[in-house]
Amino acid sequence: DTAVSQTPKYLVTQMGNDKSIKCEQNLGHDTMYWYKQDSKKFLKIMFSYNNKELIINETVPNRFSPKSPDKAHLNLHINSLELGDSAVYFCASSHPPGALYGYTFGSGTRLTVV
Amino acid sequence: GESVGLHLPTLSVQEGDNSIINCAYSNSASDYFIWYKQESGKGPQFIIDIRSNMDKRQGQRVTVLLNKTVKHLSLQIAATQPGDSAVYFCAENIRTGANNLFFGTGTRLTVIP
Repeated sequence: DTAVSQTPKYLVTQMGNDKSIKCEQNLGHDTMYWYKQDSKKFLKIMFSYNNKELIINETVPNRFSPKSPDKAHLNLHINSLELGDSAVYFCASSHPPGALYGYTFGSGTRLTVV
Repeated sequence: GESVGLHLPTLSVQEGDNSIINCAYSNSASDYFIWYKQESGKGPQFIIDIRSNMDKRQGQRVTVLLNKTVKHLSLQIAATQPGDSAVYFCAENIRTGANNLFFGTGTRLTVIP
């Protein structure tokens, strides 16, 4: 059973389109995250959700919007895609704040904007 | 073999040798550190962690050393194997009321058979 699953694994789309990436975790974690990994492998946090509330929101364009229908899901919606959005996006989940057991990551979604 | 973590991305070692991957973290208030391994096409995977009240922790073939005085973290891999080839990240937890892990640049370890 996959602990953190993302779909799709690969996404190729044209500039200006709107797309979504889905994430689900079956670990019972309360907090979920989205990270962006650029071509140099640098991992940068984008969002986190705890109990359906956004608790951090790094300086990402407002074209990116996380949506969490329940604590097991955190989807990432991107409007008006740009070339610079091409990257690998990772979903992750963790125990509640204070537990500090680290994060479990999904296998990533490689987004290519053409 | 030995590397400096955040801005030196590549380390090559012979199979069977020991590897040392270094990381300089940024925030003196960080209280928890994790090393992750990322293989090609996969997400980062937990290797070992250490809390700020410790200076050494050992796992299976891996050891993490923490020097808070100079804000330095290292990962030692004993008897490096081809399966250890991956990108390794150190991550620091900065207390802001949530589990906010911030990742270093990463080091690519290549094991030569």
